[in-house]
Amino acid sequence: ILNVEQSPQSLHVQEGDSTNFTCSFPSSNFYALHWYRWETAKSPEALFVMTLNGDEKKKGRISATLNTKEGYSYLYIKGSQPEDSATYLCAWGLNAGNMLTFGGGTRLMVKP
Amino acid sequence: DAGVTQSPTHLIKTRGQQVTLRCSPISGHKSVSWYQQVLGQGPQFIFQYYEKEERGRGNFPDRFSARQFPNYSSELNVNALLLGDSALYLCASSFLGGDYEQYFGPGTRLTVT
Repeated sequence: ILNVEQSPQSLHVQEGDSTNFTCSFPSSNFYALHWYRWETAKSPEALFVMTLNGDEKKKGRISATLNTKEGYSYLYIKGSQPEDSATYLCAWGLNAGNMLTFGGGTRLMVKP
Repeated sequence: DAGVTQSPTHLIKTRGQQVTLRCSPISGHKSVSWYQQVLGQGPQFIFQYYEKEERGRGNFPDRFSARQFPNYSSELNVNALLLGDSALYLCASSFLGGDYEQYFGPGTRLTVT
């Protein structure tokens, strides 16, 4: 069984704090690593898709890094805001198809 | 442009019944994937269809089936419903390729009693 693990499961931070989450995935047969943000009562929204070892991507205050050799990715949020409160999902792609294996998610709650 | 749409939004069924869920992808997307999300867990892959052909199947029993139509919309069918089938069913569309981001619909909440 090829698992994708995310840690921590949940995180409570104060507004303005910076935070990071970890996604670990099988380092063999890697094709792509996706990050999604899922706000309550909304659809999951794509943040990043990364394919190359050492990839770093940034969107506003959110950035992500990828290490395919050791099988992990980090998601960073700088200066968390209450609107960042959501569940952050990572998903590992094994091949060129669209089958993704998701982790259990990290639920972030940002207190004003 | 409209996003991915799914119908119905909510559904309540009894054990043993059959259910059909529907998904319309974003215009131009030919790949549709289905996921099951149980509370507290990440989405679990069920099926992927591209150009009306099944391209991938997750670890789900044969009670689950799907198809894709010429307009790229898709249906997910579940027969002989069990209580454990209660979940949020998500549809996602994209261009074919694991390096393309997937666009998710709002999901169908299925409750089996």
